Amino acid sequence: DAMVIQNPRYQVTQFGKPVTLSCSQTLNHNVMYWYQQKSSQAPKLLFHYYDKDFNNEADTPDNFQSRRPNTSFCFLDIRSPGLGDAAMYLCATSRGLGGVATDRNYGYTFGSGTRLTVV
Amino acid sequence: AQSVTQLGSHVSVSEGALVLLRCNYSSSVPPYLFWYVQYPNQGLQLLLKYTSAATLVKGINGFEAEFKKSETSFHLTKPSAHMSDAAEYFCAVSKSSSASKIIFGSGTRLSIRP
Repeated sequence: DAMVIQNPRYQVTQFGKPVTLSCSQTLNHNVMYWYQQKSSQAPKLLFHYYDKDFNNEADTPDNFQSRRPNTSFCFLDIRSPGLGDAAMYLCATSRGLGGVATDRNYGYTFGSGTRLTVV
Repeated sequence: AQSVTQLGSHVSVSEGALVLLRCNYSSSVPPYLFWYVQYPNQGLQLLLKYTSAATLVKGINGFEAEFKKSETSFHLTKPSAHMSDAAEYFCAVSKSSSASKIIFGSGTRLSIRP
């Protein structure tokens, strides 16, 4: 089945040690998103790629970076994780702009998330 | 700007009772509206969506929602709650002209009493 896969499901990293989270998709969707979700809160959009175009949210800290080497893969890099970065990180995908309202898959498809612990 | 407001961060119902989760939206353009469910330590799963077709939308697991423009609401209902419905539910909105940047509400945790 076409899907969005996040690896690993659980990641423990040390304070200040760079960490990379991975997301892959077999849906061939144009857009890939990274969300941060802290306990009992709504997912917060960090950035998204529309094809190769990177779109950063205004309030996303510089500590967070992303790479999309090809259509299928997108990575979230946290350069120097702090205790406040402990959260669930969700990857999502969607088709591109326009003419998609009748697409039964319209909307986002989410991966299962990576729960990041900072020690 | 678009936003959604979910009334009630926590709702508790008895098994077999009606489930009603409230969502009101604000949008300067015709909206697309969504309900997502999140089980513990999982990603979000789409329950249903409104994309300007029928105002009563049926989704998975027996859930449905009705778009009411006059009330700017998109409440989620299920006639009879099951224990397996216990989860976090998010209402979300996006612009009808774009598939990007869905805005999520703050979520409602649904608990089911035996």
